[in-house]
Parts: sequence; C-alpha cells; structure tokens
Amino acid sequence: GEDVEQSLFLSVREGDSSVINCTYTDSSSTYLYWYKQEPGAGLQLLTYIFSNMDMKQDQRLTVLLNKKDKHLSLRIADTQTGDSAIYFCAESDGSGGYQKVTFGIGTKLQVIP
Amino acid sequence: DTGVSQDPRHKITKRGQNVTFRCDPISEHNRLYWYRQTLGQGPEFLTYFQNEAQLEKSRLLSDRFSAERPKGSFSTLEIQRTEQGDSAMYLCASSFQTDTQYFGPGTRLTVL
Repeated sequence: GEDVEQSLFLSVREGDSSVINCTYTDSSSTYLYWYKQEPGAGLQLLTYIFSNMDMKQDQRLTVLLNKKDKHLSLRIADTQTGDSAIYFCAESDGSGGYQKVTFGIGTKLQVIP
Repeated sequence: DTGVSQDPRHKITKRGQNVTFRCDPISEHNRLYWYRQTLGQGPEFLTYFQNEAQLEKSRLLSDRFSAERPKGSFSTLEIQRTEQGDSAMYLCASSFQTDTQYFGPGTRLTVL
C-alpha cells in the first residue's frame, strides 16, 4: 500500500532556513501536499504541488519534487517562532475515483529564538 | 468564517457510552471526509461522502462507527459503546470533487 515517510524532528534557529523532507512510495500520486498542525488544532493546508511539477514557490515556502526518487521537500525561508508546529507530508491518488490522501507521521519543527 | 467547522471541539466520555460528532463543510464542497488522528501519528482515512452517498469506508471503521450525511451538507459521526482505544482526534475535511481537502479544527475524544 501507499506509504509516506518523514523524519520526526527538526530544530532550527530563528531566521535560518528549514528543510523538511519526505519520501513516498505511490508512483501514481497525483498531488503532494504539505499541511501544518499547531498544538490542539486541525490541519492547515500550506501548499501543494502537482506530480508533473518540479518546484513551486509561495512566499517563504518552496516545494521541491523529485518524482524519480519519490522525494518531496519543504523549505521555509527566514523561519520564525510562529512556524513551530508539526508538518505533515501527504500524497493523494485519484485512481480510485476519489482523492485518497495518505499522510506521513509528521515532522515536529522547533524554532529556537 | 467559511471554513470547515466541527462540534464539539472536545468530548470526554465514559467507556461504553455513545458519542456523536458533527461536521459542517465548506458550503460549495460536495465531498466530505472523516479522518482519525492518534497521538504522534498522521491522520488516517475513515470514510468519505459525495453529496449524501457514503462511497468509501476504511477497514478502520468498525461496526460501532456510523457516519451520515443526510442532506448532502453537514455530516455526523457516531461511535457506539466507546472504548478507550477510540480516544483520538477526529478530523473532518471537505473538497469540491477531487480538489484539495480542507480540514476542520477536529474533535478531540477522550474515553475514560
């Protein structure tokens, strides 16, 4: 079945760049997502990328997709303390008639002031 | 606020009791999804609706779980005879067709 893997923890200093990595196994993925979850809250969609794209930039966020290696990364420039949260990588596959979304375990980003 | 809303945000219940959660999707979204998230894990798919039809159910959805979306708008998720293993965050999401899913704030269930 589909699997999405992420590292569990990342610590960076305020102002530095953060890079969160993810690998996935489903070669038929159509969309890849990054969601942010703050403590006790639901998931906030940060950005997504179509599987036929290599890169997407949105303000401080840059998503890189290496489809050959099934590797997705999220770079946050000028990381702020408000960026501290859990970041979930997710992939979806529309081949079953609906967008089944499979999530990774989440990477906890700690930003040190 | 035009986002996905869920009610209640927190529910504490005793083992064996029934609980019901409600989700109101974004108004123009025809698809509605339920997920369960346990501590330290990502969300896991439970079920989804297209309009009022429940089209897919995960094996995680035991017979004690039932979901409805009677008029194709809001949805309810009921858990009968709750067990301690049901303690989790229950997340609802909605989308228009196969577009991106937008999540609500979740209902945190604690079964004592």
